[in-house]
Amino acid sequence: SQQGEEDPQALSIQEGENATMNCSYKTSINNLQWYRQNSGRGLVHLILIRSNEREKHSGRLRVTLDTSKKSSSLLITASRAADTASYFCATDVIGKLQFGAGTQVVVTP
Amino acid sequence: EPEVTQTPSHQVTQMGQEVILRCVPISNHLYFYWYRQILGQKVEFLVSFYNNEISEKSEIFDDQFSVERPDGSNFTLKIRSTKLEDSAMYFCASPTRGFRSGANVLTFGAGSRLTVL
Repeated sequence: SQQGEEDPQALSIQEGENATMNCSYKTSINNLQWYRQNSGRGLVHLILIRSNEREKHSGRLRVTLDTSKKSSSLLITASRAADTASYFCATDVIGKLQFGAGTQVVVTP
Repeated sequence: EPEVTQTPSHQVTQMGQEVILRCVPISNHLYFYWYRQILGQKVEFLVSFYNNEISEKSEIFDDQFSVERPDGSNFTLKIRSTKLEDSAMYFCASPTRGFRSGANVLTFGAGSRLTVL
């Protein structure tokens, strides 16, 4: 069964705008991670938030976690064209990462 | 920064043929993983491998799939008789150093694109 599901599936914004994407999951987790994937490439880890944390920042990234709603959000502030990629949430369940289908973000100059 | 290296980057094969995908994970790691991603779809867990044994596998990882460690550093994913639906990107991944224990953060290879005709 699919653990993480991202929403929206696709997002198109202009440079300078903020991009927000959400992730919902089904079971209890140890932590939740966000990864980025450029077209045709491997996934790159962006940020991790543990189950006892509510918010975390890293540069222009802000992640929230609501374990009562089993949901997380990733905010990219002041987006750049180079942020164009697919973004995946991954839940760490019993030492195995399970990914959603991703949100495809396009940032136009 | 430690890398995970995968070969080939792209392989085209005929249905029914055997395919071997190779991975060199981050050195000295005992754990590694294989994932696959059908074009435009989610990244799916296939199998985890620990200390020369399969530790967990998904329902996708049926008898047509196998993983091996033919030497000290390389890992392989073999598909014995490929089907059209095996066309996908296959990623191997190693745990990333520098995170506190208990956090399963992965470093992925660039992937091997398999096209089955």
